[in-house]
Amino acid sequence: AAGVIQSPRHLIKEKRETATLKCYPIPRHDTVYWYQQGPGQDPQFLISFYEKMQSDKGSIPDRFSAQQFSDYHSELNMSSLELGDSALYFCASRAGGTLRGGELFFGEGSRLTVL
Amino acid sequence: AQKITQTQPGMFVQEKEAVTLDCTYDTSDPSYGLFWYKQPSSGEMIFLIYQGSYDQQNATEGRYSLNFQKARKSANLVISASQLGDSAMYFCAMRVTNAGNMLTFGGGTRLMVKP
Repeated sequence: AAGVIQSPRHLIKEKRETATLKCYPIPRHDTVYWYQQGPGQDPQFLISFYEKMQSDKGSIPDRFSAQQFSDYHSELNMSSLELGDSALYFCASRAGGTLRGGELFFGEGSRLTVL
Repeated sequence: AQKITQTQPGMFVQEKEAVTLDCTYDTSDPSYGLFWYKQPSSGEMIFLIYQGSYDQQNATEGRYSLNFQKARKSANLVISASQLGDSAMYFCAMRVTNAGNMLTFGGGTRLMVKP
């Protein structure tokens, strides 16, 4: 079965550079979530989209922006990168209104290292 | 606000024995879901088991079972017959229906299975 696809899997950037992470949800999933997991930390919610519109916002820095496109894929754009942005970035998707309460399916993550 | 607490930063278990990972939660919303995820050293987040707040029976998925005690607001994960491959980080998470549907994670428990 198709899973959540994230790219790139690994990314190395310098401070003050920009980075873009992409997420392709499971087919027919209309909701996408972004999480950031720092070293030794639990995942922190950044932002979510439902039907191409932002639905909730968590601890996402102003330097970051995200959007969901017409094909439901999502991109997380990060600018003016700082050392503290080094983390594993997860995308998760779900189908809205699922009776089981909306199990989230996670991608394998994109590991960003800022030097 | 929602809160998930995992009080065991790390645990050892002997191979083939059962182990219980603790999770307590706090929410005032009557409709919520509780999840357990496994995160091996490779980083991906693997869904293990789900319990809805209105489910009458404890969830089970193969060797995983969830000991749901609603009055105590606990959702402990029980892994039976531990295997070496169970060594990983385990996260308990909660999703509140009326709070954006994003997952809030606990701090995680690192499980190490001894041969």
